[in-house]
Order: sequence, then C-alpha cells, then structure tokens
Amino acid sequence: EAGVAQSPRYKIIEKRQSVAFWCNPISGHATLYWYQQILGQGPKLLIQFQNNGVVDDSQLPKDRFSAERLKGVDSTLKIQPAKLEDSAVYLCASSSTRTGAMNTEAFFGQGTRLTVV
Amino acid sequence: AQSVTQLGSHVSVSEGALVLLRCNYSSSVPPYLFWYVQYPNQGLQLLLKYTTGATLVKGINGFEAEFKKSETSFHLTKPSAHMSDAAEYFCAVVDNDMRFGAGTRLTVKP
Repeated sequence: EAGVAQSPRYKIIEKRQSVAFWCNPISGHATLYWYQQILGQGPKLLIQFQNNGVVDDSQLPKDRFSAERLKGVDSTLKIQPAKLEDSAVYLCASSSTRTGAMNTEAFFGQGTRLTVV
Repeated sequence: AQSVTQLGSHVSVSEGALVLLRCNYSSSVPPYLFWYVQYPNQGLQLLLKYTTGATLVKGINGFEAEFKKSETSFHLTKPSAHMSDAAEYFCAVVDNDMRFGAGTRLTVKP
C-alpha cells in the first residue's frame, strides 16, 4: 500500500512570496489533515477535511493560508504572502474514517520543510 | 477542546534501562489516545493507540501504554531501552480532531 505522498520535500522562499504544498493521501482515505510543525514543537492542526468538505479549520490563519481538496482526493495548502514565522515542516496525514469516526490512526507523509528568509 | 500535556521535553536513559514518557490529557468526551514516534527527517509513525476495551495497550517495538481515566494519563513505557529507540515521541488525543502534545525527545546512552 502506497503511503501519503507530499511534495516538495524542501522549499526556501523569501518573505512575502507565495508557496504551495501538495499532498496525495492513501487511496480510499476519506479524512485528510494538514499540520504545521515548528522546530521543537508538536504538530499543530491547521485544517481537517472529510472527503472534500472542511471539518475543522479553526487554527488556520485564513488571512494568508488556504487549502483545498478537490474531488476529495489530493489536497493543496497555500501560503500567500509568507512570513518568517511560517518556517516549519508541513505534514499531511490521512485516515480511513468514512463515517467520521475518530478511532482510526492517521498515516503521515514525510512532510515539506519550508524555510522563509 | 481536548489538549495534551507531555511532561519533560527531553528524557535520557541508558541502554537497557526502563523508558517512561509521560502524557496527560483533557477531553470532554471519552478520548481516543495515540502515541506516535518521529525519527529525524521522517513523518510520524504510529506506536500504539487506545480506543476502547483493555486499558493496557501494546504497540510496536516493545512499547506499551496504560490508559488511566482517574489520572487522565496515558504514559508510554518500554522495559529495556535500545539505541534505536532514540527519537521524538508525541502523544495525541482525539475527540473531534487529533491534537498533539509538544513532544518528548528520548536519548539513549550506551
């Protein structure tokens, strides 16, 4: 079974530029998460999708961050414009909770390391 | 909203010694609890999970954790540490969504 795929693995941009990350979840997984992991901290949930609908985006800085999951499969996370404090690893995860049940594990991609200079 | 507190950002043990990583949670509903491990430059990998049933949960690589509702705890243990256990460990709690603790970095000394 293929895992969660993320690209790119690394990205360096200047502040005020825009950047986009891509995630392809495990086939058939209905739930998709984006997390931000700042160095030395635990992952912070940015947004959760169930199929192509947003379940929770309460911690997403909507003035600069946006995310979409077209057709309930792949997802993109965009930052525009980027700030220095956005430097972090952005993790995508998916789980097979078609019913919305939360007792199944989430499978994580390797993440995209963003450096804003 | 649910939350997780991991006591000790850094734990150091000798090879062969007991590993104990602490996790306390708060949740308004009966929680689902998870421990994940993260090796350098890797994503998170599930070690074990508690959903319902037996409160002592066994996971991969010899780790286990016990759900104690009265103490709102889900501490992770391993009887004998191995060098390969050196990594970052994260406790997570789920009710509506999955929230992680700040993590504990485990160092294993030879």
